[in-house]
Amino acid sequence: QQQVKQSPQSLIVQKGGISIINCAYENTAFDYFPWYQQFPGKGPALLIAIRPDVSEKKEGRFTISFNKSAKQFSLHIMDSQPGDSATYFCAARKKGGSEKLVFGKGTKLTVNP
Amino acid sequence: DAGITQSPRHKVTETGTPVTLRCHQTENHRYMYWYRQDPGHGLRLIHYSYGVKDTDKGEVSDGYSVSRSKTEDFLLTLESATSSQTSVYFCAISAGPMNTEAFFGQGTRLTVV
Repeated sequence: QQQVKQSPQSLIVQKGGISIINCAYENTAFDYFPWYQQFPGKGPALLIAIRPDVSEKKEGRFTISFNKSAKQFSLHIMDSQPGDSATYFCAARKKGGSEKLVFGKGTKLTVNP
Repeated sequence: DAGITQSPRHKVTETGTPVTLRCHQTENHRYMYWYRQDPGHGLRLIHYSYGVKDTDKGEVSDGYSVSRSKTEDFLLTLESATSSQTSVYFCAISAGPMNTEAFFGQGTRLTVV
């Protein structure tokens, strides 16, 4: 049973475009929703995160939109750059659950110059 | 980068042999995790630890055991390696409830032949 469903599996965007990656969850006990960025040969690194008491969080070109009633959240990358080409993972953490994260399957983003 | 060192970084082993992967941290974080990353599956939790000698199973724990005798070290052992355990293994650490970010190591690429 996949607790966090992520789409699309892969995404190709032109430089300057908007990249959008979506995630959905079922467990209402999740209280923390991070996005991780992973470059080839490296470990994932935290990009941006949100808690369910806010509907949007923005850091530079990266924005998380959160819809609590729909149990969905998405990552928007504005003005996408070739350096953003990476695999992106959404994740969720259950409150009181030993801090462990449950990850989506990942989206491979390619930004063409 | 957070002080996480995984060793070895690459290993090729034969089916049926035991293998131990090591994760060493210098951050004094309470929580440590082992994930495996496979194409199409994202990151899946194998085992985690919430303190010295305190460990618990994740979603794909069969065939794996762990030990944590010191805060800084978390060992993952494949009792009898199988080809299905060929994967990239990531260690992660987290400070706890008030500090939510999980930091990942560089990964260990394990091939079972």
